[in-house]
Amino acid sequence: EADIYQTPRYLVIGTGKKITLECSQTMGHDKMYWYQQDPGMELHLIHYSYGVNSTEKGDLSSESTVSRIRTEHFPLTLESARPSHTSQYLCASSHGQGAQYGYTFGSGTRLTVV
Amino acid sequence: LAKTTQPISMDSYEGQEVNITCSHNNIATNDYITWYQQFPSQGPRFIIQGYKTKVTNEVASLFIPADRKSSTLSLPRVSLSDTAVYYCLVGTSSGSARQLTFGSGTQLTVLP
Repeated sequence: EADIYQTPRYLVIGTGKKITLECSQTMGHDKMYWYQQDPGMELHLIHYSYGVNSTEKGDLSSESTVSRIRTEHFPLTLESARPSHTSQYLCASSHGQGAQYGYTFGSGTRLTVV
Repeated sequence: LAKTTQPISMDSYEGQEVNITCSHNNIATNDYITWYQQFPSQGPRFIIQGYKTKVTNEVASLFIPADRKSSTLSLPRVSLSDTAVYYCLVGTSSGSARQLTFGSGTQLTVLP
């Protein structure tokens, strides 16, 4: 079944650690996105990619980085985690660029930095 | 960018029809209207999308008046499991991902 997977589901990590949040999709979508969402708050776009070797920053400034070496894989990395990075991170993909293409979201990674 | 306005919250009872209206006064000619549903600790899920008039699928209906300055998501006979946040998005075809903003959404609570 085509889907989008995020691991880990939950992560508690100490300040200063390097972490990578994994996102993979089996739908062959070219477009992939990372959103950040605090509890009860809006989703904010932090990174997006329109294809392999293409990445852009979103509206919300983020200290994270992303890479897109394979179509199906779009990992997000924090070089040095801080408590301010505590949030839920949601990965999504779409078949094409533009609002007419619906987004498919993963279940998210809830990150807590202590 | 077409900004959207939705009620912050709504309550309903099981078995009732729920209508959530979204205002988008600055909608452009090429903009589509999309609704998503989000449960706690989950990513949003696509519900329905439309451009004009009425769209219906197995989950919901979307009503869009001729001027397209608003849209109404209709959920028939809601159940407790429909309790979620519902987002209205407006964005153009071939537009950048930056254009699609989720906003605060509408928290729908279905009561027994």
